[in-house]
Amino acid sequence: AQSVTQPDIHITVSEGASLELRCNYSYGATPYLFWYVQSPGQGLQLLLKYFSGDTLVQGIKGFEAEFKRSQSSFNLRKPSVHWSDAAEYFCAVGLGGATNKLIFGTGTLLAVQP
Amino acid sequence: DVKVTQSSRYLVKRTGEKVFLECVQDMDHENMFWYRQDPGLGLRLIYFSYDVKMKEKGDIPEGYSVSREKKERFSLILESASTNQTSMYLCASRFGASTKNIQYFGAGTRLSVL
Repeated sequence: AQSVTQPDIHITVSEGASLELRCNYSYGATPYLFWYVQSPGQGLQLLLKYFSGDTLVQGIKGFEAEFKRSQSSFNLRKPSVHWSDAAEYFCAVGLGGATNKLIFGTGTLLAVQP
Repeated sequence: DVKVTQSSRYLVKRTGEKVFLECVQDMDHENMFWYRQDPGLGLRLIYFSYDVKMKEKGDIPEGYSVSREKKERFSLILESASTNQTSMYLCASRFGASTKNIQYFGAGTRLSVL
């Protein structure tokens, strides 16, 4: 069955430090992959997406993610975290065919220390 | 900018009440979705709609129904609210059926059933 795993429930980093959020997926075909961010009290906003081509994709707010087929991973990175990045981050896989829906991971809550 | 508006940010209802959660999008999107978000479980799809008067069950439809009489409006109905339906509910819309297309989310409705 298709699934998305975000192994880190909660991560704390210091402001200015680098960040990597992990995402692993299970899907038989080439996946469509997404990262969304949810700031406190808000809905989800798309950070970036991967469909094909260059495996390193750039998104908004200085985020990037790398697709690694051999590891079934799509990890999110940022070289220098800002206090405003404190939020919950969701990885998602888009299923093709008749279902046409997204499967979300359980989320990673990011706290940023001054 | 796409706007997805959920009519209430917070709702408090009593067990057994019939509850309506309303969602309106302003971009003429065909597809609309209702998700439930719970800590540690991520987002789970309740129902989605491909077009007016069309609906499909998602992963957790039990205890819910939906209505889509107009293209811009998608309502989630709890026929008889129960305490285990206390949760955050997120509405989303998408242009077209492909999962490549971005889902745009509302800010959410936090429902408490007492």
